Amino acid sequence: DVVMTQSPLSLPVTLGQPASISCRSSQSLVYSDGYTYLSWYQRRPGQSPRRLIYKVSNRDSGVPDRFSGSGSGTDFTLKISRVEAEDAGVYYCMQATYWPPYIFGQGTKLEIK
Amino acid sequence: QLQLQESGPGLVKPSETLSLTCTVSGGSISGSNFYWGWIRQSPGEGLEWIATTSYKGAAYYNPSLKSRVTISVDTSKNQFSLKLSSVTAADTAVYSCTRDDSYGPGYWGQGTLVTVSS
Repeated sequence: DVVMTQSPLSLPVTLGQPASISCRSSQSLVYSDGYTYLSWYQRRPGQSPRRLIYKVSNRDSGVPDRFSGSGSGTDFTLKISRVEAEDAGVYYCMQATYWPPYIFGQGTKLEIK
Repeated sequence: QLQLQESGPGLVKPSETLSLTCTVSGGSISGSNFYWGWIRQSPGEGLEWIATTSYKGAAYYNPSLKSRVTISVDTSKNQFSLKLSSVTAADTAVYSCTRDDSYGPGYWGQGTLVTVSS
């Protein structure tokens, strides 16, 4: 199975400052149709996960534009341009290129300093 | 507004079968381009995909759990279900049902904690 590796695992950020989370896959996530099925999820404390980004850089409906995704092949990044208090939680990358199975990264805990 | 609600016993004995149901409201489980799935998260662990089904019953399983898992769908009740047999303490987790689109789980239920203990 492909392995998804996130870094850092813990990310303290000051309000209003940018944040960046890296996700690396053990194999290229480019599917035979040319698309890359890499998503990002946010899990706020006490809430169910919410998808933020799909296909590397497409924001889901209702996701603030301070969230952006980028990358290609095996290296991907989730960026928050200016962190707000509601952004605290755990962020996961997930690959769907080699589904089944869906495989998630270990998670990155973003905390507000 | 779409809602997914998990239901089932919160406590299951070792070696028994865990059974959960996800009730879908605010949308039909059938006649759509969506799939329906289950994901779990053990305490202190990451997210683990368990299984996915279409409304017609085409099922896909995580190879690591395939021998113990059954996913099924009941379109008349707008529900889908999960059965996990021969459970051990390692199966203690929060189980969430999901609606999956072409890119993966796009909508999640709140999740339900299932503890395996005698």
